[in-house]
Amino acid sequence: QKEVEQDPGPLSVPEGAIVSLNCTYSNSAFQYFMWYRQYSRKGPELLMYTYSSGNKEDGRFTAQVDKSSKYISLFIRDSQPSDSATYLCAMSEKSSASKIIFGSGTRLSIRP
Amino acid sequence: DGGITQSPKYLFRKEGQNVTLSCEQNLNHDAMYWYRQDPGQGLRLIYYSQIVNDFQKGDIAEGYSVSREKKESFPLTVTSAQKNPTAFYLCASNGQLNQPQHFGDGTRLSIL
Repeated sequence: QKEVEQDPGPLSVPEGAIVSLNCTYSNSAFQYFMWYRQYSRKGPELLMYTYSSGNKEDGRFTAQVDKSSKYISLFIRDSQPSDSATYLCAMSEKSSASKIIFGSGTRLSIRP
Repeated sequence: DGGITQSPKYLFRKEGQNVTLSCEQNLNHDAMYWYRQDPGQGLRLIYYSQIVNDFQKGDIAEGYSVSREKKESFPLTVTSAQKNPTAFYLCASNGQLNQPQHFGDGTRLSIL
C-alpha cells in the first residue's frame, strides 16, 4: 500500500462547478500538507500549504485536513478553464529529517 | 527573481551516450532533488542532496549519477546504463526536507 493515495482521474467538470480533489494517507505522523498544481510541460507550483488539521482558504481554493480520517481535500469554487491541470497532494512529518511524499496526481479538466 | 532554472528544455540522447541535465537555484536552499515523471504518472525520486558534497539515492537511482559541488547547482547525468531514459525530469529545492519544494520547469529527454 502506498503511503499517499490519490485518484488519478481524469476528472471533467463544467465551468463554474465546485471541484473536490482528495488524498488519503496511512502515516499518522504526517503534519504538513501541501497541494501543487502542474500545467502540462511545466513544473509543479505550490498552491496551498497547511499544518495539522483544519481548513485554509485562499481565494477560490480551500484546503481541508481531517487527521482523524487521514484524509485531505482541495476544493475549487467557481472553476475556470484555466484551472485545468494536474493536482498533486504532498505531505511530510514534523521532523526536519522527513522527506515530502507526493501523491500521484489527479488530472482535472474544466469544460467551458 | 528567485527560482530554479533547468536547462535545456528539450534534450535528445543517442544510444550509448551519457547526457547531463542542468539545475541551478538562487533561493539559497540547502536541499535539492531530482525527480522523473512519466506520462500520466506521479513523481519518482532519483537522487537528493541535503548539503554540498553529499547526496543520497532515491527510489530509482540506477542508471543515473549526480554531483553537488556548489550549493546552487545539482546536475544530473543520465548514463547509458539507464535503458529507458525517455521522461520528463524535474529538479526541486527546499530549505529543509519536510518543507514545500520549489520546482523548475523541467527537461524533456527523448531517445534518438
